[in-house]
Parts: sequence; structure tokens; C-alpha cells
Amino acid sequence: NAGVTQTPKFQVLKTGQSMTLQCAQDMNHNSMYWYRQDPGMGLRLIYYSASEGTTDKGEVPNGYNVSRLNKREFSLRLESAAPSQTSVYFCANGVANEQFFGPGTRLTVL
Amino acid sequence: AQSVTQLGSHVSVSEGALVLLRCNYSSSVPPYLFWYVQYPNQGLQLLLKYTSAATLVKGINDFEAEFKKSETSFHLTKPSAHMSDAAEYFCAVSPVNDYKLSFGAGTTVTVRA
Repeated sequence: NAGVTQTPKFQVLKTGQSMTLQCAQDMNHNSMYWYRQDPGMGLRLIYYSASEGTTDKGEVPNGYNVSRLNKREFSLRLESAAPSQTSVYFCANGVANEQFFGPGTRLTVL
Repeated sequence: AQSVTQLGSHVSVSEGALVLLRCNYSSSVPPYLFWYVQYPNQGLQLLLKYTSAATLVKGINDFEAEFKKSETSFHLTKPSAHMSDAAEYFCAVSPVNDYKLSFGAGTTVTVRA
């Protein structure tokens, strides 16, 4: 079992470009999350999905959109990338009070 | 709103020495508390969690943490550091009735031979 997979691993964008970060899980958990990690700030929640068909904003949702395509997949979209969105993005899934993290996507916006 | 403060962004210890990482939380009611570890270029892995059972929690790789309500603390310890413990450690908190995590800023541990 792969657990939580994320694609791509690395991405470089120019300001204004759009892209979608993909996340998939094979753990059959209802909840899924997107975080960004920036030096000295820990991880901050962008969006989450408590179950298939629902999504909610987290702490830092501006500039992002999400889609919970089905129980397995939860994608994060940047419509018009900005340098401030340079970060490492982590997807996680959860059951009860435990979350399981993917390996991350390192995004650079020039 | 709940928040987490990790004291010390960097900790350096000698191999075999005690590892102590400090975490304090702010919450009106005792929350659930977690410690995660992140090795270089990897995702986060759960070390241990407190969910209102025993106040002394044991985790993987000989780490343990003690929940102290009076001090609003959840410090992480390991009696004897190993070179493989070099990583970044995050303390996190979630309300009992809500599974969203709030993370501290992280503490990077280096282990000296």
C-alpha cells in the first residue's frame, strides 16, 4: 500500500501560471487535508475535506481551490500562482485524531 | 483558537545525551496533542499522541512525552540520542471534537558524534 501519494514531487512555475497538485490515498479514510510548510512557520492548513463531497477552508485558503473528486483523491489548484505561494505542500488523510502525510510537493514560483 | 509554541528552533545534543524538546499549548480545555517527526525531504510521521488517557505517552524510537495540564505543556524526551534522531520535530494540537491540527513552528535537532 502506498498510503498517501502526491504528484508532482517538484514544480517550477512563473507568476500567473496555473497548476493542480494531485493527492491520492489508498487508506480508505474519510478526511483529507492540504497543508503548506514554510520555514519557521510549521505547517498551515489550506483546505480540508471531512468526507467525499465536502470541502472547507483552513487557515490560509486565499489563492487556492480544492476538489474532492472521490474518496481517494483530493486536488489543490493554484489559479494564478504568486511568488508568495512558493512552499512545500503536503497532503494528508485522517481517521479519528490521527493524520497520515504524503511525501510533499516542492513548488517554486518565479 | 488553539495555538502551539515550541521553545527553541534548534537543539543540538551529543550522541547518547538526553533529548528534550519543549511544547506549550494554549486552549480553554485540554486538547489532543501530538508530536510529529520530519526527516529530510520526507513527509511527517507521527511519533506519539495524547488523547486524554495516560498523561505519560510512549511513542516510537524510545520517545515519550508527558501531558501537564497545570503547565499547559507536552514536552518530548528521549533518554539517549542517536544519530538517526537528527530531524525536525513538530508539536501539534487539535480540539477534542475537531480533527484539524494546528502546528508549532518546529524544532530542528542535530546530533553530534
